[in-house]
Amino acid sequence: SAVISQKPSRDICQRGTSLTIQCQVDSQVTMMFWYRQQPGQSLTLIATANQGSEATYESGFVIDKFPISRPNLTFSTLTVSNMSPEDSSIYLCSARPGWQGAETQYFGPGTRLLVL
Amino acid sequence: GNSVTQMEGPVTLSEEAFLTINCTYTATGYPSLFWYVQYPGEGLQLLLKATKADDKGSNKGFEATYRKETTSFHLEKGSVQVSDSAVYFCALSGGNTGFQKLVFGTGTRLLVSP
Repeated sequence: SAVISQKPSRDICQRGTSLTIQCQVDSQVTMMFWYRQQPGQSLTLIATANQGSEATYESGFVIDKFPISRPNLTFSTLTVSNMSPEDSSIYLCSARPGWQGAETQYFGPGTRLLVL
Repeated sequence: GNSVTQMEGPVTLSEEAFLTINCTYTATGYPSLFWYVQYPGEGLQLLLKATKADDKGSNKGFEATYRKETTSFHLEKGSVQVSDSAVYFCALSGGNTGFQKLVFGTGTRLLVSP
């Protein structure tokens, strides 16, 4: 199994600013993912981040708004840039140890973001 | 594209009551189906899974059967406990979504009172 931690756990930010969320895994993992969970909605995949390659973004999400880093096999960051109140959400980090199926995917506790 | 629909909550039950949380899906191909649980302040945890039609996933007293004819994967438990209070997410992966991307429902909050 993998234990995932995220920092910060929550934050309140002003519009127009940027926030970087850190995700740390206690073991080396191949695939890492970033999700958004807006109030009353399901989890939506933002992007997949594999070490050594550029992040792959889902439809509706762009690198300029959500730049992602994946410097090694245990760590990733997601930046929410030029924030607006519509970015208020829970952001979740997730990871899979290998190239196995989704049943091996683990999730962090989330970062709760409020943009004023 | 693939999608998951689950019943809205909150679902409020007394301890020892029977639980059903409905989940239906739309997918091409043959997806795998999952139930995740999120306890307060914690990350999502895999509760159970089923990978083919008529499979029954089970864990901690919870069960769900993969019904291809009705495209459903309803979650059931015979006797809930206060400690089962959480948000439950139905999800699928595979089918024709490439590398087995997870697609989630909106989540159902369960509240169990003593």
